[in-house]
Amino acid sequence: QLQLQESGPGLVRPSETLSLTCTVSGDSITRYPYYWGWVRQPPGKGLEWIGSLSYNGNTYYNPSLKSRVTILVDTSKNQFSLKLTSVTAADTAMYYCARHATNGCYAGFRCPLDYWGQGTLVTVSS
Amino acid sequence: EIVLTQSPATLSLSPGERATLSCRASQSFSSSLDWYQQKPGQAPRLLIYEASKRAAGIPARFSGSGSGTDFTLTISSLEPEDSAVYYCQHRSDWLTFGGGTKLEIK
Repeated sequence: QLQLQESGPGLVRPSETLSLTCTVSGDSITRYPYYWGWVRQPPGKGLEWIGSLSYNGNTYYNPSLKSRVTILVDTSKNQFSLKLTSVTAADTAMYYCARHATNGCYAGFRCPLDYWGQGTLVTVSS
Repeated sequence: EIVLTQSPATLSLSPGERATLSCRASQSFSSSLDWYQQKPGQAPRLLIYEASKRAAGIPARFSGSGSGTDFTLTISSLEPEDSAVYYCQHRSDWLTFGGGTKLEIK
């Protein structure tokens, strides 16, 4: 059974870097043709795709966040991580990691998201 | 960038009734439109992909339709557990979500 679990600080100071990790269990993040992504949701608001990572380490980012976002992979721990620089209060949100579906979809990060972590709330405040 | 507009913002119906949720796109595209259900305190759950295909384990009362700029999620006979926010998602260039429809079961 595939499971994803987000972890990281719940509080980040303005102008600093937000760092989160997603630990995947039940399958390998390097297995073809899996893609893995990050989605966030400000309190009481809608969903925003942040970016995604392919099984072979390619990354894809939301153009609106691209200048501040990096997604990295640690294959030895079966984890991928999110780094968001120069955060402001507008970055306060629930952050989810998720897997892009592979059943009948061959579009990589443009596939729907079928497995999600439970999410982790990050607050940006001094 | 394609913008998705969902309507109505809120829908209040009784168990057994039929719910029709709309998702309208600012530009026409193919069938790369998905629907998610999100209950309070939970992550979103994929319901419908490619506009009309039910995801694994999704009850048959959920169905999707549409193409071009107009897409619809229909719940044929509402159950109390269908109370949630429903989001449509487009994925032609990258992933973008609509603003959501909150469905309340009376």
